[in-house]
This record gives sequence, structure tokens and C-alpha cells, in this order.
Amino acid sequence: GAVVSQHPSRVICKSGTSVKIECRSLDFQATTMFWYRQFPKKSLMLMATSNEGSKATYEQGVEKDKFLINHASLTLSTLTVTSAHPEDSSFYICSARAPSNEQFFGPGTRLTVL
Amino acid sequence: AQSVTQLDSQVPVFEEAPVELRCNYSSSVSVYLFWYVQYPNQGLQLLLKYLSGSTLVKGINGFEAEFNKSQTSFHLRKPSVHISDTAEYFCAGNAGGTSYGKLTFGQGTILTVHP
Repeated sequence: GAVVSQHPSRVICKSGTSVKIECRSLDFQATTMFWYRQFPKKSLMLMATSNEGSKATYEQGVEKDKFLINHASLTLSTLTVTSAHPEDSSFYICSARAPSNEQFFGPGTRLTVL
Repeated sequence: AQSVTQLDSQVPVFEEAPVELRCNYSSSVSVYLFWYVQYPNQGLQLLLKYLSGSTLVKGINGFEAEFNKSQTSFHLRKPSVHISDTAEYFCAGNAGGTSYGKLTFGQGTILTVHP
């Protein structure tokens, strides 16, 4: 099956700093990628839809200025958590939609903000 | 708007016993439904999906699910579980059309298989 990678897998940062998370589709081109957030013992919540070459579409309640998404190429989308705070600590998962329309998920990034 | 409900947050079961994880959906349009498995600190792996056609869908690792339109359900079943099936399982759906690809997830069901 298709492979989606995320980097880093874990990151610990100080409050107030910014963190960038990369999502890559390794063996297919993805015009659309999705970013999800998963709270402990909770389900996945869709944050935004990332479209190559255009602005991301954010779900209601997600701060677009805080969670910056860039989809500069057909294989890479980045999520930048700006001025991170402890409440931003979470497990962030991306997915990429293959030409078959199936979504393939990355392994996730554990963000801890101290 | 579509919603997906998993009726059980935790399901304990003994090894080699059958298991059913329940999922109900609500939607006013035709749906695509999925079951994913998540192991600790890992991403999601697709178990199976229903897009159209036969209502009984077979997936990986011996799992299967049945799409029941009249009961708006998509329950996941396995006739005999293994210790390695211990994980969290998510039911998900999207409404297709212009929102194709945006998945709505259920709350998750933690399956614990005991020896």
C-alpha cells in the first residue's frame, strides 16, 4: 500500500515557540492532505484540509493563524503550530488522499509543549 | 451533517472468542464507511471499507463488517480474536460528493483481548 510519513515522530518544545510538522506521501502524489488532532483517549478531530497550491480549508473552531498549513508540492504538506502552549500538546496525524481517493494515514506526531 | 457513533468505548474479550464492535452512522446521503485500527502511538491502518456493492465487506486480519442501510449500522466482527488484535478501533465515514475525503470518526472502541 501507499506510504505516508510524518516528521518528527515526537517533539518537545517550550511554550511560546513554533513547531513544524511535515507530512509526506512517499510513493504517490496527493493533491489533498488532511490534518487531524487526537486528544488522549479521544477520537480524531479533523483540523483542516490541505490542497496543493491553494489555501487550506479549516474546520470550524480551528484557529488558522495558530495552525499554519502549507501544501507547496504534491508530496508535502506542513503544519506549523505557532506560539505553542501546553494546551496544544496532542497527537497530530496527517493523511494523504491517493489518486484512488483512498486516504492513507501517517504514523502521527506527538507534540508536548512544556 | 454526518455523524458516526461507536456504542462501546471498551470491549474486553478472551482470546479465540468472537467479537463485534458496533458502529452506527447518520446521513441523508449515500455514504462511504471505513474501519481503522490504531496501535499505541501509531497512526491509523485501514481494516476495511464499504463504498458500494456487496454489503458484507471482508478486510485484513480476518475482520469483516456488514453495511446495514435499514439500521444505519456498520458493525465490525471477527469470529476468533488473538492477543495481537488488542488495539483501538475507529469507525469512520464521509458523505461523498463535494465533501469526499473528509472523514468523520467515531469515538473509538478499545478492544482488549485477554489470554
